[in-house]
Amino acid sequence: EAGVAQSPRYKIIEKRQSVAFWCNPISGHATLYWYQQILGQGPKLLIQFQNNGVVDDSQLPKDRFSAERLKGVDSTLKIQPAKLEDSAVYLCASSLVTGTADKLFFGSGTQLSVL
Amino acid sequence: QKEVEQNSGPLSVPEGAIASLNCTYSDRGSQSFFWYRQYSGKSPELIMSIYSNGDKEDGRFTAQLNKASQYVSLLIRDSQPSDSATYLCAVNQAGTALIFGKGTTLSVSS
Repeated sequence: EAGVAQSPRYKIIEKRQSVAFWCNPISGHATLYWYQQILGQGPKLLIQFQNNGVVDDSQLPKDRFSAERLKGVDSTLKIQPAKLEDSAVYLCASSLVTGTADKLFFGSGTQLSVL
Repeated sequence: QKEVEQNSGPLSVPEGAIASLNCTYSDRGSQSFFWYRQYSGKSPELIMSIYSNGDKEDGRFTAQLNKASQYVSLLIRDSQPSDSATYLCAVNQAGTALIFGKGTTLSVSS
């Protein structure tokens, strides 16, 4: 079974530039999550999708972050414009059913450095 | 604001000792509790889940839950250098995403 795919693996940009991350969940997984993990901290939920609908985006900084999940499969997370404090690892995860953390699968993450 | 608190450490134990990691959570409605291990530069991986009060054992790992005290712990027996990692406590309610603590860094010396 293929895992959660994320790209790119690393990204370096300057502040005020834009960046996009891509995630392909495990086939058939209805729920997709984007987490932000700043160095030395635990992952923080940015947005949760159920199929192509948003379940929770309460912690997404909507003035600069946006996310979509087209056709309930792939998802993209965009930051525009980036700030220095956005430097973090962006983790995508998926699960068959919302809230079943026993079956939560993480991708390898995208490490973003904003200079 | 739902919070999960962990001592960031580092927790240092010698090889073969018992490592004890602790976690408290603020939301009394939390129903599911998890411990993830995260090696440096890697993604979190699930090592234990617990749903009811008491102990749950899996190999060298034991998770303990006390809902009245809003407390979760993880014991690692016979600690090995390969156990050196950051351990993340996570909780959720049914149908919601996981809320993670900041993690405790464990260092096992040989």
